[in-house]
Amino acid sequence: DVKVTQSSRYLVKRTGEKVFLECVQDMDHENMFWYRQDPGLGLRLIYFSYDVKMKEKGDIPEGYSVSREKKERFSLILESASTNQTSMYLCASSTSGAGTGELFFGEGSRLTVL
Amino acid sequence: DQQVKQNSPSLSVQEGRISILNCDYTNSMFDYFLWYKKYPAEGPTFLISISSIKDKNEDGRFTVFLNKSAKHLSLHIVPSQPGDSAVYFCAASGTNFGNEKLTFGTGTRLTIIP
Repeated sequence: DVKVTQSSRYLVKRTGEKVFLECVQDMDHENMFWYRQDPGLGLRLIYFSYDVKMKEKGDIPEGYSVSREKKERFSLILESASTNQTSMYLCASSTSGAGTGELFFGEGSRLTVL
Repeated sequence: DQQVKQNSPSLSVQEGRISILNCDYTNSMFDYFLWYKKYPAEGPTFLISISSIKDKNEDGRFTVFLNKSAKHLSLHIVPSQPGDSAVYFCAASGTNFGNEKLTFGTGTRLTIIP
């Protein structure tokens, strides 16, 4: 059974803290993505990666960075968390060349920044 | 700039009747469209997709229709069942900017009334 696992389901952090959100997939997928979901705004792409050590900005990269040192792992980093980064964060992966764009999502990490 | 729009934030339908969810897009470079379903506290899961070379795709109770000239797609669920209650996101991708990168709509919360 294919799986995308996000390390933390719920996190509470304080303003200014550094936050790491980890994501691991076991499908040997080349592509990995970080989205955030907010009411009324849908899913918005933060960063994505097509290969190890590669990263590209999505639609809302400000305030975030990412790391992909291994194919199966994609980390989202909030260098200095702010209250407007309170959100549901969703990691996803997909295989290249399928031509479909079908993504497999993790269960999400709900981050609250106080 | 919202390139994929779902203008109805919510929809209530009687069990057994047809549910119709709508989605509009603005970018003519999109050529593949997908619907995802999301339950609370879970990640979105793929439901059905359609390529721009088709105008209809059917999978069991789910049918997606694409009207390219109107830049409009719709998801029909018939008959609707209580388990269909969820948030539905439409998404689009284009070969010109990576098959694997999806742009999502804002979502429609579907409630099936028993």
